[in-house]
Amino acid sequence: QVQLVQSGAEVKKPGASVKVSCKASGYTFTSYGISWVRQAPGQGLEWMGWISAYNGNTNYAQKLQGRVTMTTDTSTSTAYMELRSLRSDDTAVYYCARDHLLPTGVDYWGQGTLVTVSS
Amino acid sequence: QPVLTQSSSASASLGSSVKLTCTLSSGHSSYIIAWHQQQPGKAPRYLMKLEGSGSYNKGSGVPDRFSGSSSGADRYLTISNLQSEDEADYYCETWDSNTRMGVFGGGTKLTVL
Repeated sequence: QVQLVQSGAEVKKPGASVKVSCKASGYTFTSYGISWVRQAPGQGLEWMGWISAYNGNTNYAQKLQGRVTMTTDTSTSTAYMELRSLRSDDTAVYYCARDHLLPTGVDYWGQGTLVTVSS
Repeated sequence: QPVLTQSSSASASLGSSVKLTCTLSSGHSSYIIAWHQQQPGKAPRYLMKLEGSGSYNKGSGVPDRFSGSSSGADRYLTISNLQSEDEADYYCETWDSNTRMGVFGGGTKLTVL
């Protein structure tokens, strides 16, 4: 069965960086993409970006351009999302989700990773 | 870039049916959407992908009580025979094939009375 298992919770200071991992299993990793979605406390879902696990092509939400980098390691079927220059409003649960070789909607979700940004 | 509009809340009685709406912005009425359910304190769960024709494909294990339909720019999620576990937030999602960007609606909080 398809599973996406994310790394554990993080606490970071403003200005620091965080890197969240997402290990995929139960399907051919390079036949799909991974989208990253975040959810601030009490708020809705926000699409952050997408990466093709086939060729590494990426697309990022405009508001995060320059601060976010998404990568994959096909040898371990793991996707990564790094967010830099963290601010307090980056405090959120970050989800990875399986998407397609072009972003056309996610169909499996990871369990989420809470990132808290606090001085 | 498409915009998805959802009512912030809805309520219905145990055992009844409810129809949630997701409306696509002008110029995007033909777009395919996906519905996701998020129970309190849990990760979202994919429910189905829904086309403008009303045709839909449900995710693995999604009960038959969940169905989709479409009319113009509106995409609907109908839940029949409501159960207590259906009390959740429901989000619609779409994507722009030109910009390769995704977008979520604001979500509808469903209360089962």
